[in-house]
Amino acid sequence: ETGVTQTPRHLVMGMTNKKSLKCEQHLGHNAMYWYKQSAKKPLELMFVYNFKEQTENNSVPSRFSPECPNSSHLFLHLHTLQPEDSALYLCASSQDFAGGKTDTQYFGPGTRLTVL
Amino acid sequence: AQKITQTQPGMFVQEKEAVTLDCTYDTSDPSYGLFWYKQPSSGEMIFLIYQGSYDQQNATEGRYSLNFQKARKSANLVISASQLGDSAMYFCAMRSSNFGNEKLTFGTGTRLTIIP
Repeated sequence: ETGVTQTPRHLVMGMTNKKSLKCEQHLGHNAMYWYKQSAKKPLELMFVYNFKEQTENNSVPSRFSPECPNSSHLFLHLHTLQPEDSALYLCASSQDFAGGKTDTQYFGPGTRLTVL
Repeated sequence: AQKITQTQPGMFVQEKEAVTLDCTYDTSDPSYGLFWYKQPSSGEMIFLIYQGSYDQQNATEGRYSLNFQKARKSANLVISASQLGDSAMYFCAMRSSNFGNEKLTFGTGTRLTIIP
């Protein structure tokens, strides 16, 4: 599946900058997700949107702000980040959010973020 | 709480040989799904195979098969006739079907290197 795209692929930002990550899915799915992948740590779920409604905020700091204007687009707005926020940020989508094979999540290529 | 354990941080396998990647899980939910993903160095998480907890037969997808042993709570991935392009990180993941516990939980991954 190559139906989930993410931009930019690489981002370098200072701690005082404001930037946004964009995710778009072309699969007709109803649920979208943001994950953070740091070195030597399991994938961490950050946010879940189901039918454009946020259903999960996994204790993420407020300097990360998600936005889901429709079922196909998901943004992650970043401001005043810390160096420890440097990681690969992955977006995913799934048909449903209710259990079963239809919940298979398909991922985008990720945005590799470096905070200086 | 759900937990995925992958005990092999790294594996080296000769090209064309079969390889088994181990995964054990822990959950108290009766209904759940098990997933395997491949992550090449490019970063994208590629879905490989799915096994439902009530599926009678082990899942197969081309060269991938899942050796599901429910009583032992294990869901090992078997790759037959390995290829150089199989070199990547492999993640086992689980998702419960119970309401409120649908998060996809990932293991720490196994880095597979195929030797020519």
